[in-house]
Amino acid sequence: SAVISQKPSRDICQRGTSLTIQCQVDSQVTMMFWYRQQPGQSLTLIATANQGSEATYESGFVIDKFPISRPNLTFSTLTVSNMSPEDSSIYLCSVGDRASYTFGSGTRLTVV
Amino acid sequence: GNSVTQMEGPVTLSEEAFLTINCTYTATGYPSLFWYVQYPGEGLQLLLKATKADDKGSNKGFEATYRKETTSFHLEKGSVQVSDSAVYFCAPSSKSTFGDGTTLTVKP
Repeated sequence: SAVISQKPSRDICQRGTSLTIQCQVDSQVTMMFWYRQQPGQSLTLIATANQGSEATYESGFVIDKFPISRPNLTFSTLTVSNMSPEDSSIYLCSVGDRASYTFGSGTRLTVV
Repeated sequence: GNSVTQMEGPVTLSEEAFLTINCTYTATGYPSLFWYVQYPGEGLQLLLKATKADDKGSNKGFEATYRKETTSFHLEKGSVQVSDSAVYFCAPSSKSTFGDGTTLTVKP
């Protein structure tokens, strides 16, 4: 299965600033996803990162708040923009298909 | 679409106790089914999976059988260890649907 390197692993950010999270995969993958895991809760899909086109966002998530890049088949970034304390979560990237999904180790974001 | 209902936690067991975490699903078609584990401070890891009815996934002493007749994929382990303390998530193959997670604490 694919190996994912996600960074940063954690960060503490000031309210109103933005943070970009990177996800690097060791092989070319078609499907890449970004999830949010709020404290004590399950995973919520933010969007599917599409190579060569705009990301596909789930209900409740918008591009202005969570812009995503996918310049090639091994890399993607998620930016959390204009952060507020409510954005404090673990953000995870994932790759996979029907057979299995592999997750990055996550970025633990705290907004103060 | 696909969805899962997962046993609520937290679950606290003594070492060597038997574990069952229930998971039932609703799905269109016959999705693959997965259990993921999240150890404290870490990301999700695939624990086991089953791709069709009557398949049994197993790993690290954990087992789950894909039962179409009861639409279930319950996670079991015969003798838990302290190191099994984690959050366990059930998920169908749909990328967007995860169970709420069940926190397991195993005490020595």
